Amino acid sequence: EDKVVQSPLSLVVHEGDTVTLNCSYEVTNFRSLLWYKQEKKAPTFLFMLTSSGIEKKSGRLSSILDKKELFSILNITATQTGDSAIYLCAVEGGSEKLVFGKGTKLTVNP
Amino acid sequence: DAGITQSPRHKVTETGTPVTLRCHQTENHRYMYWYRQDPGHGLRLIHYSYGVKDTDKGEVSDGYSVSRSKTEDFLLTLESATSSQTSVYFCAISETGNYGYTFGSGTRLTVV
Repeated sequence: EDKVVQSPLSLVVHEGDTVTLNCSYEVTNFRSLLWYKQEKKAPTFLFMLTSSGIEKKSGRLSSILDKKELFSILNITATQTGDSAIYLCAVEGGSEKLVFGKGTKLTVNP
Repeated sequence: DAGITQSPRHKVTETGTPVTLRCHQTENHRYMYWYRQDPGHGLRLIHYSYGVKDTDKGEVSDGYSVSRSKTEDFLLTLESATSSQTSVYFCAISETGNYGYTFGSGTRLTVV
């Protein structure tokens, strides 16, 4: 059974800090790993990773995948209060559906 | 939200009553999904559809049924609602079946 584990489950930081969120997975026939940000409503897409060692970057957010060790990290530099959200990791395997982790709740205090 | 709407947005219902949630898309995407989200559990797949009249179960399908008679509509039915089905329900759509899901805004269901 496909499985995604995120850590930490909850994290509280101050504005300006850098954070690293972790996602490890077990999946049959890995195809991709995705990161989503969820604020008050629907999750919104951040990144899709398919190849090891290639960093995806968008502003202060970046992510990288290690297919050998079966994990991914999401980095956020110079955090802002607007980064407060639940960050979801999901993996796509051989089936036609995504499997999600439980999420990391990030709180950024001013 | 990119052509996907869920209705109702909020609902309170009594134990034992039937409830139907609707997901409507205007993107003509092939794949549609129903997830529930609960504290400590993340997003869990209930049912999904890969075409009109083609549906399959997810990991938490007990107590739920779905129907997809048109490409644009995917209905989730709780035949006899229980308190354990109190949750936030999200619909998602995808063209390719996996990456690039677009989520609806969610339906908050409370069973009392």
